[in-house]
Amino acid sequence: EDQVTQSPEALRLQEGESSSLNCSYTVSGLRGLFWYRQDPGKGPEFLFTLYSAGEEKEKERLKATLTKKESFLHITAPKPEDSATYLCAVHPYNQGGKLIFGQGTELSVKP
Amino acid sequence: DVKVTQSSRYLVKRTGEKVFLECVQDMDHENMFWYRQDPGLGLRLIYFSYDVKMKEKGDIPEGYSVSREKKERFSLILESASTNQTSMYLCASSPQGSNSYEQYFGPGTRLTVT
Repeated sequence: EDQVTQSPEALRLQEGESSSLNCSYTVSGLRGLFWYRQDPGKGPEFLFTLYSAGEEKEKERLKATLTKKESFLHITAPKPEDSATYLCAVHPYNQGGKLIFGQGTELSVKP
Repeated sequence: DVKVTQSSRYLVKRTGEKVFLECVQDMDHENMFWYRQDPGLGLRLIYFSYDVKMKEKGDIPEGYSVSREKKERFSLILESASTNQTSMYLCASSPQGSNSYEQYFGPGTRLTVT
């Protein structure tokens, strides 16, 4: 069964304290992996797509990496405005256009 | 920029009412999706559509129906609203036929059924 697990569920950081969020997945064949940011009361905002192991994408303080079993979202020197829930989703080959979402990691960055 | 809009940000309805949630996308995407999001349960797929007049059941279709008469518009219908349908409803769209299937979401509709 295709599955996505994100850890930790919640992460509290001090401003400037770098860390990583994990997204582990089990799929029959991976077409793509996506990261989203979601602010409270709003829809998820697309961040990155990763297609193959070894691929990396960067945007400001965020860097996403991909292996054959997991993806990491590295946050370097975070700021309070990075506080949000980060969602990971996978696109298996056998699911048409459907994505499978993880439960998310709630990130809180304190000044 | 991809833009997905939803007809209401907040909606309050009474039990038994028929509720329409509208979603419009402006990027000519073939695929459209309706999710609900509840604390602790994550995003759950209700219905999706790959083309006009086509619809497929997602993981939790009971109590819902959908309509897609035009490519850019996908409507979610609650035939007889119940209190357990109080939730955040999110619409999304994605392209088809390319290598990119990332979904773009609307701002969400917070529905309360009393």
